[in-house]
Amino acid sequence: AQSVAQPEDQVNVAEGNPLTVKCTYSVSGNPYLFWYVQYPNRGLQFLLKYITGDNLVKGSYGFEAEFNKSQTSFHLKKPSALVSDSALYFCAVRDYGGSQGNLIFGKGTKLSVKP
Amino acid sequence: DADVTQTPRNRITKTGKRIMLECSQTKGHDRMYWYRQDPGLGLRLIYYSFDVKDINKGEISDGYSVSRQAQAKFSLSLESAIPNQTALYFCATSDLSGNYGYTFGSGTRLTVV
Repeated sequence: AQSVAQPEDQVNVAEGNPLTVKCTYSVSGNPYLFWYVQYPNRGLQFLLKYITGDNLVKGSYGFEAEFNKSQTSFHLKKPSALVSDSALYFCAVRDYGGSQGNLIFGKGTKLSVKP
Repeated sequence: DADVTQTPRNRITKTGKRIMLECSQTKGHDRMYWYRQDPGLGLRLIYYSFDVKDINKGEISDGYSVSRQAQAKFSLSLESAIPNQTALYFCATSDLSGNYGYTFGSGTRLTVV
């Protein structure tokens, strides 16, 4: 069965430092991977996706993600964190099973960036 | 105007009442979804629809029903609300392939007292 895991409930980073939010996946076919961000009292917003091609994917707000097939990971990164990056981040993978392509979401990681 | 609009944004209702949450989209997408979000549990799929005549249950459909009135409209009903249905509810859409991710509405915060 397809699945996605975000091993950290919360990540704390100082402003200006690099940040990483971890995601691992398990799929039966080629992975279609996504990152979404949720700011307080808002819906989820698309950040970036990996379908094929370059393992380093660039997205919105200066975020990027590195696809690693051997480690089945798709970690979200940013070279220099901002306080405004504080939010809830969700990793998702496309389901190849009975749901015909629905996304399966991780439980989310709360990112807290302190000044 | 937002691509995916949910109404109401907030709702407080009493146990046992019937309530409907509405979602409309201007994306022209075929697929529509209803999720609920609870702290620590992430997003859980309630129902999804690939077109007006295609409605499917998600992982937590008990206690909920849906109606796809048109390609652009997908409503979620709680037939008899109970307190553990207190949650943040999201509608989302995607194209038919599902390969390019979802567009989410801003959510409806539902409180059942």
